[in-house]
Amino acid sequence: DAKTTQPPSMDCAEGRAANLPCNHSTISGNEYVYWYRQIHSQGPQYIIHGLKNNETNEMASLIITEDRKSSTLILPHATLRDTAVYYCIVRVLGDKIIFGKGTRLHILP
Amino acid sequence: NAGVTQTPKFRVLKTGQSMTLLCAQDMNHEYMYWYRQDPGMGLRLIHYSVGEGTTAKGEVPDGYNVSRLKKQNFLLGLESAAPSQTSVYFCASRDERARYQETQYFGPGTRLLVL
Repeated sequence: DAKTTQPPSMDCAEGRAANLPCNHSTISGNEYVYWYRQIHSQGPQYIIHGLKNNETNEMASLIITEDRKSSTLILPHATLRDTAVYYCIVRVLGDKIIFGKGTRLHILP
Repeated sequence: NAGVTQTPKFRVLKTGQSMTLLCAQDMNHEYMYWYRQDPGMGLRLIHYSVGEGTTAKGEVPDGYNVSRLKKQNFLLGLESAAPSQTSVYFCASRDERARYQETQYFGPGTRLLVL
């Protein structure tokens, strides 16, 4: 049980912001929201994670709603190299990671 | 510093044959994981280890065995391969001390075909 719901696929124009939604309505108070991505034929890559505050790093921003039941990963200026499957995961720190099917993001030139 | 490496990169087996997949990491990480990924699917956790000499079952452990005799190595064994085990296998490691950072490093994958 991946505990999250994501759209199976999305398109985004190159240079625009890509906003990837994730629903996690059963998240508990001590569970964090993590995002990973997997570029074709490669192993997954960690992007960002957060608990309840919005987070930003060099790769992306994570916006978590106040009730923590959903979140959005934002890639501010998508490039063709951002084409990948994006996984939203909720977990307690130290617990194993359970991947769902993710969102396949297509960046259109 | 090679990160996480996997051996072999690709293998073809006949049903009933056995083999061992090797994962090695040079980052002194405590935690190591084995996942499988089938076409169009996300990764599913097979087994994992929280330290040398320890192993635990993940989501889909049946048909696989693992060993962690050395901290840097995590072995995945198939005693009697079945066509249903045709998949891409990914190994990963994580530094237990970096719990709040949570960067799990993945290997390049091993593609296994069982005929």
